[in-house]
Amino acid sequence: ETGVTQTPRHLVMGMTNKKSLKCEQHLGHNAMYWYKQSAKKPLELMFVYNFKEQTENNSVPSRFSPECPNSSHLFLHLHTLQPEDSALYLCASSQDRIAGDSDTQYFGPGTRLTVL
Amino acid sequence: AQSVAQPEDQVNVAEGNPLTVKCTYSVSGNPYLFWYVQYPNRGLQFLLKYITGDNLVKGSYGFEAEFNKSQTSFHLKKPSALVSDSALYFCAVRDTDSWGKLQFGAGTQVVVTP
Repeated sequence: ETGVTQTPRHLVMGMTNKKSLKCEQHLGHNAMYWYKQSAKKPLELMFVYNFKEQTENNSVPSRFSPECPNSSHLFLHLHTLQPEDSALYLCASSQDRIAGDSDTQYFGPGTRLTVL
Repeated sequence: AQSVAQPEDQVNVAEGNPLTVKCTYSVSGNPYLFWYVQYPNRGLQFLLKYITGDNLVKGSYGFEAEFNKSQTSFHLKKPSALVSDSALYFCAVRDTDSWGKLQFGAGTQVVVTP
C-alpha cells in the first residue's frame, strides 16, 4: 500500500464544513481515480484523470470537486456534504492510456468519511 | 454496457479446503477481468487479471482464476485456503472501449475457519 497513500485516513465533518482529501502515488503512473465505497454497494467510480486531464465524471454532484495538479497528486475537495455521502473514499492509480492497455489499478488505503 | 455479478454475499470454507469465489460478467466485445481483495480498513489489493491468452490465470498468494467465455465467468480459486485469506473479494470487468472504467461487483466475503 505504500505505492498509493491517502490522507487523512479518517475524517468527520459537518454539513457546512469544507475539507479536502489528498492522494499521492509513487508508482510513476499517469492516471488517477477517485472511488466511493459504501456499505453493501459496489465501488462507484467518481472521477478519472489521465495526464492531469479529467477524462471521466460519473455524474458526481458538484459538492465533490476534484483537482489533479500533477500526475502524482489528486485531491477531492468537499463542501456542503450530506450524511449519505458518508463512505470510504478510495484513490487509485494506473498506467496511462498511451502507455498501453494495462489499466491495472493500484489502490490507496482510503479515507473513512463521516458527515454529521 | 458492462456489468458483473458476484452471486454469493459470503463464502465459508474450512482451512485447508479448496476455495472458490464466483464471478459472472456481461460486456460488449472482449472482456478485461480483474480480481481484487480487501482486508479490513485497507484499500483494494490487486490479485490477478485476464486480458487475453491462457484461460487459467495465476496470481498473488496462490490464487488463480479461470476465464470461461461460453459461461461468461471468471471464478477465483485457491486449492487450499488459509485463515489469513478471510477478506472481501471483488471481481471487476471492463470492455475494450472502456479503458479505466472498471465495473466492480458487490463483493464476496470469504470466511476461512480453522
